[in-house]
Amino acid sequence: AQSVTQLGSHVSVSEGALVLLRCNYSSSVPPYLFWYVQYPNQGLQLLLKYTTGATLVKGINGFEAEFKKSETSFHLTKPSAHMSDAAEYFCAVRAGGSAGKSTFGDGTTLTVKP
Amino acid sequence: DVKVTQSSRYLVKRTGEKVFLECVQDMDHENMFWYRQDPGLGLRLIYFSYDVKMKEKGDIPEGYSVSREKKERFSLILESASTNQTSMYLCASSSGSLWEQYFGPGTRLTVT
Repeated sequence: AQSVTQLGSHVSVSEGALVLLRCNYSSSVPPYLFWYVQYPNQGLQLLLKYTTGATLVKGINGFEAEFKKSETSFHLTKPSAHMSDAAEYFCAVRAGGSAGKSTFGDGTTLTVKP
Repeated sequence: DVKVTQSSRYLVKRTGEKVFLECVQDMDHENMFWYRQDPGLGLRLIYFSYDVKMKEKGDIPEGYSVSREKKERFSLILESASTNQTSMYLCASSSGSLWEQYFGPGTRLTVT
């Protein structure tokens, strides 16, 4: 079975500071990993994904994440936070089977202080 | 760009009413999903469909049913709405060969 743990339901950073959102996973199949962002009153939007190949993946809005198999982690980072980054972030791992299911973490709300 | 649309952004219904939530995607995706999202509980999968007329229960199917008569459309049905079904409902779709999901804007349903 697959599972995702997001460490910290709320993270607060100052504008211009480093953003680090933590995600650990477990998977019985080779993991495909995703980060999604949800702005208030909107659906989720894909930020970035890891399937195979390069372990450092870059996404939209300056975010990136590194797949570390030995640590079963896929942490999301951004060097310099912007006010517009305030949102909820979800880490997800593909579930087993072929129906495109994913298992989502509980989400981390990012607050950016001026 | 993939587009997933949901029939309503906000919906208010009375207890006991039959409620239909519609979702349409325009990218010929095989897979479609219905989630509900509640504070502190993340996304919970209600039902998903991997082909026309094919469906499987997710983690919380009780009180819900679904219909997929056409590839692009996936409907969620609350047979008899109850107050504990007040929630944000999110529809998503994905391709069979890719795993990322594309989400609609959500329907915020209030049952009074």
